Amino acid sequence: GENVEQHPSTLSVQEGDSAVIKCTYSDSASNYFPWYKQELGKRPQLIIDIRSNVGEKKDQRIAVTLNKTAKHFSLHITETQPEDSAVYFCAARGFGNEKLTFGTGTRLTIIP
Amino acid sequence: DAGVIQSPRHEVTEMGQEVTLRCKPISGHNSLFWYRQTMMRGLELLIYFNNNVPIDDSGMPEDRFSAKMPNASFSTLKIQPSEPRDSAVYFCASSEQGPGELFFGEGSRLTVL
Repeated sequence: GENVEQHPSTLSVQEGDSAVIKCTYSDSASNYFPWYKQELGKRPQLIIDIRSNVGEKKDQRIAVTLNKTAKHFSLHITETQPEDSAVYFCAARGFGNEKLTFGTGTRLTIIP
Repeated sequence: DAGVIQSPRHEVTEMGQEVTLRCKPISGHNSLFWYRQTMMRGLELLIYFNNNVPIDDSGMPEDRFSAKMPNASFSTLKIQPSEPRDSAVYFCASSEQGPGELFFGEGSRLTVL
């Protein structure tokens, strides 16, 4: 089955700086890669996703890049703000498969 | 739509007791998922259903766990008998069929003493 690895497990960034979280996946047939944000005590919520026919996607301060050859994808947050502090999960879904496999999460702390 | 609705939000029980967690997916969503979240193991998929049919239950830890989806608007996850290591937050999520956004419920925090 699919295996998703995520790094780093914790990340502290000065407010205003950029944060980058990286994930690798094992199943070359995977074709959908979402990122979820989970605030303390809350549910995970989708912040951005990318499909395998696209190399990069941006939404305001958030961007995701995908390298299918290397089987890795990354989340980039620019101009970080205190409300960006949360746990971020990457995930991958295989072709023709509803199953979403999550990475182990990155706890991002924005230092004011 | 009110989103995915889970109950109870919190459950404290004693080892050996039966626990039943409930979920109402978003109307019109064909797929329903049960995840377990712990500090040690992160978000683990336990089981998922397509059109009320269980498709993959390979994540169900052992025979003490069972899940049902009798109709498109209701699912249960049952643990019998419960053990302290079952303590976790259990999330139900639903989505439209095909690759797309997974909508999570608020979760059920289970503590087994």
